[in-house]
Amino acid sequence: DVKVTQSSRYLVKRTGEKVFLECVQDMDHENMFWYRQDPGLGLRLIYFSYDVKMKEKGDIPEGYSVSREKKERFSLILESASTNQTSMYLCASSSGTRGREGTGELFFGEGSRLTVL
Amino acid sequence: GNSVTQMEGPVTLSEEAFLTINCTYTATGYPSLFWYVQYPGEGLQLLLKATKADDKGSNKGFEATYRKETTSFHLEKGSVQVSDSAVYFCALTSSARQLTFGSGTQLTVLP
Repeated sequence: DVKVTQSSRYLVKRTGEKVFLECVQDMDHENMFWYRQDPGLGLRLIYFSYDVKMKEKGDIPEGYSVSREKKERFSLILESASTNQTSMYLCASSSGTRGREGTGELFFGEGSRLTVL
Repeated sequence: GNSVTQMEGPVTLSEEAFLTINCTYTATGYPSLFWYVQYPGEGLQLLLKATKADDKGSNKGFEATYRKETTSFHLEKGSVQVSDSAVYFCALTSSARQLTFGSGTQLTVLP
C-alpha cells in the first residue's frame, strides 16, 4: 500500500521553540508539499518541492522553512514557533511534471496536529 | 486569481438521504476540478475529478459534473451512508497547475 507518512500525529511546543515536522513518501514521487489546515480556511500551501534540494514558496511561507535532502523526505521547519502556528499540518506528494500540484492528484499523510503554547 | 466557494456546513443527514454539496469556482483558463474527502483522523484522499467541461466524475456512488456555463462542480450522492461522514473539499487546478481548495464541508450522516 502506497503511503505518505508524517512522523508525529500530535505535538505540543512552547513559543520560541524550533519545530521539525517530517514527511516520507514511498511512491518515488517528484513533487512534495506542505499545507496547513485551519477551520473555515481550507488548505493553504506553505512550501513545495519538485526535486531534491529544490523548494518554492507557496501562499503562506512566512515563519516556515523546508528541507529536501532526499527524494522521499520533505521536512517542514518552524524556526521559532508562535501561537498563530497552532494548526493541522498536512504533507502531500504527487508524480508527474515539474511544477505545483501537477495533475491535481495528491496523496496525503494523516496530518500532524501542532499546538504552540 | 483562482477561488473555490463551497456551501458552508455542517451538513447533517439521515442515512439514505440525498446529498448535494455545492461548489462554484472562479478561474482563468480551463481548470480541472476535484473533490477530495477527509475521513475522521485521516489525511485527504481524491474522491473524483473532471478535466473538461461536461465531464462527469464518479466514485463510490458520488458524482459531480463540470458545468462551465455555471462555473460549478456540485457533489451529489443518491443515498448516503453513515460511513460517508467526513469533510469534503472542492478544488481546482488552473493552467499554472496551482491547486486551490475550498474551505471544506463537514458532513454527518445519522443512522
